[in-house]
Amino acid sequence: GAGVSQSPRYKVAKRGQDVALRCDPISGHVSLFWYQQALGQGPEFLTYFQNEAQLDKSGLPSDRFFAERPEGSVSTLKIQRTQQEDSAVYLCASSLLGTGGNSPLHFGNGTRLTVT
Amino acid sequence: KQEVTQIPAALSVPEGENLVLNCSFTDSAIYNLQWFRQDPGKGLTSLLLIQSSQREQTSGRLNASLDKSSGRSTLYIAASQPGDSATYLCAVTEGSYIPTFGRGTSLIVHP
Repeated sequence: GAGVSQSPRYKVAKRGQDVALRCDPISGHVSLFWYQQALGQGPEFLTYFQNEAQLDKSGLPSDRFFAERPEGSVSTLKIQRTQQEDSAVYLCASSLLGTGGNSPLHFGNGTRLTVT
Repeated sequence: KQEVTQIPAALSVPEGENLVLNCSFTDSAIYNLQWFRQDPGKGLTSLLLIQSSQREQTSGRLNASLDKSSGRSTLYIAASQPGDSATYLCAVTEGSYIPTFGRGTSLIVHP
């Protein structure tokens, strides 16, 4: 497809379950970002990849959160032992250039995670 | 740490008005600033990107200006239409190359 694709669109998990959220960036895009967005708030940074390298994971809220992009394209955000406070929309964005390049971010429609 | 503030938080106007949305940031050593719109239940759509060396960018009825020294950007929407109703967010990128977002301005344009 032409845009960033995220799946699933909605995920309901029981507290304590593990979840995996997928992001397919635009083909050829070097940079990939994960953000977390709570209702009525702006997106909060979680982690950043340049190709397959995870250059920054300072925004991950706990060691229950893990992200990977093993071949420099598709990325997966995994949350272990989900808690209610993990309920949010998880947004993925990609950008054509790496660090130092001025290219706009392209966002997917997000995955809405609800932990019950 | 960079902080981004957007004023007003919400705005409701009649169709046809010209609008100004404001974005301010605390650290002026930025790399670029982007404006996005977000429709309910959707991701963000990039509207304009202003590089640090630029003063403004225009796209159709949208014009964004950047004043790095005062830590401000404005998004001007001319002749607003109901289809412009959305949340508008600005994001500032600095040396870490990580865009930092404001909380957005929720805009309603009524017929």
